[in-house]
Amino acid sequence: KQEVTQIPAALSVPEGENLVLNCSFTDSAIYNLQWFRQDPGKGLTSLLLIQSSQREQTSGRLNASLDKSSGRSTLYIAASQPGDSATYLCATAAGYSTLTFGKGTMLLVSP
Amino acid sequence: DTAVSQTPKYLVTQMGNDKSIKCEQNLGHDTMYWYKQDSKKFLKIMFSYNNKELIINETVPNRFSPKSPDKAHLNLHINSLELGDSAVYFCASSQDLWGGNTIYFGEGSWLTVV
Repeated sequence: KQEVTQIPAALSVPEGENLVLNCSFTDSAIYNLQWFRQDPGKGLTSLLLIQSSQREQTSGRLNASLDKSSGRSTLYIAASQPGDSATYLCATAAGYSTLTFGKGTMLLVSP
Repeated sequence: DTAVSQTPKYLVTQMGNDKSIKCEQNLGHDTMYWYKQDSKKFLKIMFSYNNKELIINETVPNRFSPKSPDKAHLNLHINSLELGDSAVYFCASSQDLWGGNTIYFGEGSWLTVV
């Protein structure tokens, strides 16, 4: 059964720093890996989706990489801003598109 | 225009009651889901429906009964509510059943059982 782990559980950085969030998964037989953002009291917003055949995806200041063989993904956030403060969740999809989530990394970017 | 909308957003009810949460998606997707986020913020799949048919039921107690009147709607009915049912319930949808598609989530329904 797939297990997804995210490290660190929480991260606090000053504005402007570049940062990396880590995600690892135990079963490499995945269709894709997605990174989501969750703001307090809100739903999840999809940030990036990496297909199993891809190695990375970029959107603005965000870059996500995928190494299926080692069961790892990273989310790189460049020049962090206070508005980036949220919980970041990674999730893998296999089979019937259902997602297995990690517990998230709570990010706080201070001005 | 909200892609996946669910109601109510907040629900406080007593143990033993029956309640429903409604979900609608206007994305034209074939597949809809219910996820549960517990007090530890852990998100887990409950049900998956494709074209109104149940595909996945992740060992959810049968007090939980999803109903899909059409492929744009997936409602969740909960009988005999228990304290442990308190959680945030998220509805979601994707283009179809198989991996490779982005999944879109609603904003969640906060259920508190007292």
